[in-house]
Amino acid sequence: DAKTTQPNSMESNEEEPVHLPCNHSTISGTDYIHWYRQLPSQGPEYVIHGLTSNVNNRMASLAIAEDRKSSTLILHRATLRDAAVYYCGSARGTSYGKLTFGQGTILTVHP
Amino acid sequence: ETGVTQSPTHLIKTRGQQVTLRCSSQSGHNTVSWYQQALGQGPQFIFQYYREEENGRGNFPPRFSGLQFPNYSSELNVNALELDDSALYLCASSRRTSGGQETQYFGPGTRLLVL
Repeated sequence: DAKTTQPNSMESNEEEPVHLPCNHSTISGTDYIHWYRQLPSQGPEYVIHGLTSNVNNRMASLAIAEDRKSSTLILHRATLRDAAVYYCGSARGTSYGKLTFGQGTILTVHP
Repeated sequence: ETGVTQSPTHLIKTRGQQVTLRCSSQSGHNTVSWYQQALGQGPQFIFQYYREEENGRGNFPPRFSGLQFPNYSSELNVNALELDDSALYLCASSRRTSGGQETQYFGPGTRLLVL
């Protein structure tokens, strides 16, 4: 299984961009990179995923390094509702339901 | 609201007992995955069920078993409970088609405490 590492915590100010990094040291060529976030007392919520190229959706952007050993989740304008634990992970091919997650980054957003 | 429900929300058991956790999938979803999340850790994949068959398993012993029913709801059973089994148990449902598996949606989890 791919091993992923993330910083334990990060802080941001409201309405500023946030870049959350993740290292995928043992990712294989067919592993998709996924990002989820989790609020207290809730299950993880899907944010974004991608394979090789950068991806955008209404929640965030995902930048994937050329060697795929790292990725960055970008929140363009952080809001207080973005405060959560952010997990990066990977899944083999299109087996999105068999995710291997990292330890998570606690994001604090200051007003 | 993801449409995925789990029961019970909390549970306390003692070492050696057995437990059954339940999950109701989002409508139209045919695949269920179960994860274990220890306090302060990321979720760990236990196994996945597709059309009532186990379709992949993580690094968990055989005392962790599951079922998927014709309506795609699912159960996770854990026998001979150990203290380290204390965790949040998450189920996630998704739809698998010939084109692959779509994004999965998590339920709120069942918090299990083993004393």
